[in-house]
This record gives sequence, structure tokens and C-alpha cells, in this order.
Amino acid sequence: AQSVTQLDSHVSVSEGTPVLLRCNYSSSYSPSLFWYVQHPNKGLQLLLKYTSAATLVKGINGFEAEFKKSETSFHLTKPSAHMSDAAEYFCVVSPGNTPLVFGKGTRLSVIA
Amino acid sequence: GAGVSQSPSNKVTEKGKDVELRCDPISGHTALYWYRQSLGQGLEFLIYFQGNSAPDKSGLPSDRFSAERTGGSVSTLTIQRTQQEDSAVYLCASSLAFPSGTSGYTDTQYFGPGTRLTVL
Repeated sequence: AQSVTQLDSHVSVSEGTPVLLRCNYSSSYSPSLFWYVQHPNKGLQLLLKYTSAATLVKGINGFEAEFKKSETSFHLTKPSAHMSDAAEYFCVVSPGNTPLVFGKGTRLSVIA
Repeated sequence: GAGVSQSPSNKVTEKGKDVELRCDPISGHTALYWYRQSLGQGLEFLIYFQGNSAPDKSGLPSDRFSAERTGGSVSTLTIQRTQQEDSAVYLCASSLAFPSGTSGYTDTQYFGPGTRLTVL
């Protein structure tokens, strides 16, 4: 079975400091992986996706994620947090021919 | 062009009533998906449409839930005899292509803002 574990339900960082949101996955196949962001009362927006090309994926708003097969991880990072990054972040796995599997989300707080 | 839209944005209903939730996908997107986001449960897949047909209904939680899509565009999710546990945010998404073969669900899904359903 496919699953996604977001290791932190809440992460708090100061503005201007790095962001690390951790995600581990379990999949029987070579998966596609996504990070989505959800701002309050808004729909989910795609940040980036990995589909077996380059293992380091760059997304919007300065975010990037690295696919590490040996560690079954797909952590999301950003060098410097902005206040506007405060939101809920979801790691998602698509193992192939089955529906997307979402992690439970990590709420990112950015402190001024 | 416009993104995915959903209506109503909020719906409050009494237990036992039926509700209809509407989704307008991005024009030209052949695939449409419904998800439910419950507090503490994350997002659950409910159903997806390829054109007007629904090859995958595996996520519908009970026979009180049904969905249809007409004209390859607008979709309606209907919940009959609502229960308090149906309270959640219902999200719709659409994608340009539909899942096929090994490429599966890799096409980017674009989400609407959701409908917040509260069952009293």
C-alpha cells in the first residue's frame, strides 16, 4: 500500500530563516511526488512535482524538494522564509494508477 | 483563464437533509476529481470523472454519496440524508488529461476553493 508521512504537524520559523518540511513515503512502484500548499480558505496550489526526472525539483516561490529513493524521502525546503509562506503544506504521492494519497499536512507558521 | 470554481462556498444543513455541491472545472480539462478534507483526517479521494463517466468510485464512503458530470464539464456531488460526520470541506480538482496506464495520476490537478459543509 502507498502512504505518506509528514513528520511534523506544525513547524514554526522566524522570517528570513530556512524552512524544512519533512515527508517520507511508501510506495510499491516508482512514484510521482507532489507538494501542495493551502492558504486559509483557499484551494490547494501546486508548489512542485517530481516525476522521475531530476531528483532536485524547483518549484514556485523559492521552494525546492529533493527526491531521495534510498531514504524514501521528499523533504521541502526554502532558504529564507517570508511571512506569506505561512500556510498548510501537503506532501502527496501518486504511485501510478491509483488515486493520489495525501499526507496529513504540516502547518507552517512564520514569526516576524 | 478562470480556475476551478465551487459553489456554494459554505453550506449549513440539518441532519437528514440532502445537499448538492457543484464544481466548475477549468475549461478543456477532461478529468475531474472530488476530495473530502476533514479536520484531522487530511484529504480523502472520493471519485474521479473521465469525461462524463466515473471509472473510479472507490472513495465514496457510502451509498448516500453520489456524483455526476454532464457535458464533460460541471459536476455535482450529492449527499443524501446527511449525517454529522459528513461535515467537512469538499474539494474539487480538474486536470487536463485523465489517468491512463503507468502514467496514472501524475498530471497536475488544479483545485477549487472548496465547499465547507456543516451538518447540524
